[in-house]
Amino acid sequence: DAKTTQPNSMESNEEEPVHLPCNHSTISGTDYIHWYRQLPSQGPEYVIHGLTSNVNNRMASLAIAEDRKSSTLILHRATLRDAAVYYCILRGLGSGGGADGLTFGKGTHLIIQP
Amino acid sequence: GAGVSQSPSNKVTEKGKDVELRCDPISGHTALYWYRQRLGQGLEFLIYFQGNSAPDKSGLPSDRFSAERTGESVSTLTIQRTQQEDSAVYLCASSLETPLDTEAFFGQGTRLTVV
Repeated sequence: DAKTTQPNSMESNEEEPVHLPCNHSTISGTDYIHWYRQLPSQGPEYVIHGLTSNVNNRMASLAIAEDRKSSTLILHRATLRDAAVYYCILRGLGSGGGADGLTFGKGTHLIIQP
Repeated sequence: GAGVSQSPSNKVTEKGKDVELRCDPISGHTALYWYRQRLGQGLEFLIYFQGNSAPDKSGLPSDRFSAERTGESVSTLTIQRTQQEDSAVYLCASSLETPLDTEAFFGQGTRLTVV
């Protein structure tokens, strides 16, 4: 399986940027890096994904290291609504772990302080 | 509908009874996933469908659990002779046939309580 490693929890202040790290040292060339988040009492929702280049969308930015062995999800201005568990997932041919590579680890519990 | 729909949203059942949980994926999505999430825990993969076939059933916790999908659409997860440890939120997700570069969409889940 292509594995990811994330901190168990992080804390940030409202209206400040948040950088959520993810290590994936065994990533293969065909693996996409996906981020999902799960707000309290809700199903997970897609945040962003990328392959090699940095990506931006309305929710966040994804910065991918040049060697692709790590990535960082960036929330530019955190709000209380961003408090959630954030999951970094690798999806690719032979990602393994069942579910065609959509296997969730423990993620990072992001706490936002007002 | 526009999103993944799961029913019922809540189900309370007596120990030993059978339950059926339903998932309506987004139209055109051929990949469908079932997960279980116990209170305060992470998502536990159960089973994955590609079309009507389930290439990976490795996550089903016991032979009391089964799932089927018909018409490359609706899926049902059946739990026979429910036990208290089956109490959890059961989540369904769907995505396009080539999911590597696409997102998966989740339903709101079915909260199952076995009493």
